[in-house]
Amino acid sequence: GQQLNQSPQSMFIQEGEDVSMNCTSSSIFNTWLWYKQDPGEGPVLLIALYKAGELTSNGRLTAQFGITRKDSFLNISASIPSDVGIYFCAGRSSGNTGKLIFGQGTTLQVKP
Amino acid sequence: DARVTQTPRDKVTEMGQEVTMRCQPILGHNTVFWYRQTMMQGLELLAYFRNRAPLDDSGMPKDRFSAEMPDATLATLKIQPSEPRDSAVYFCASGLSGYGYTFGSGTRLTVV
Repeated sequence: GQQLNQSPQSMFIQEGEDVSMNCTSSSIFNTWLWYKQDPGEGPVLLIALYKAGELTSNGRLTAQFGITRKDSFLNISASIPSDVGIYFCAGRSSGNTGKLIFGQGTTLQVKP
Repeated sequence: DARVTQTPRDKVTEMGQEVTMRCQPILGHNTVFWYRQTMMQGLELLAYFRNRAPLDDSGMPKDRFSAEMPDATLATLKIQPSEPRDSAVYFCASGLSGYGYTFGSGTRLTVV
């Protein structure tokens, strides 16, 4: 079945540092989504990408849809303590309309 | 803000008992997903509906799990009989096909 490989699995950084995480797939996707999950809550959508090569920002977050349509990355600039949480990538392929597959998540910890 | 409402928030039940989880999707959303989250498996897609019709439930153990949408304002996930390995957080998400999805806060199920 389809799989998403998300890396790194966890990160422990200093406040103010930039963060980068990525997802790769063996399949082509037509949509990439990035979510953040806080403890005890459901994932919250951060950025949605719909076209290959698309680069989209949301405040300090920037995400890109890879040209090959098999990868995406998320950057967080100037991290702050409230960025702590688990970040998930999710992809949707044209062959499974609407079916969303999630990566395993990147756990981010920020040291003040 | 519109939100996906899930009930109950927490459920503790004995093995063998029936469990029903409910989800009220955001009004106007035509796609509803059920996911299960565990530490080991991450976010697993169990089933999803488009315009109340089931599209894919291949991720769901058919012998004990069932998912329905009796109307546009209610989705249910039922486990009968429940087993300890069903202990997890179950999320419902809704959205419009082709776009990002909004998650509920989840139902934390513990089967003892």
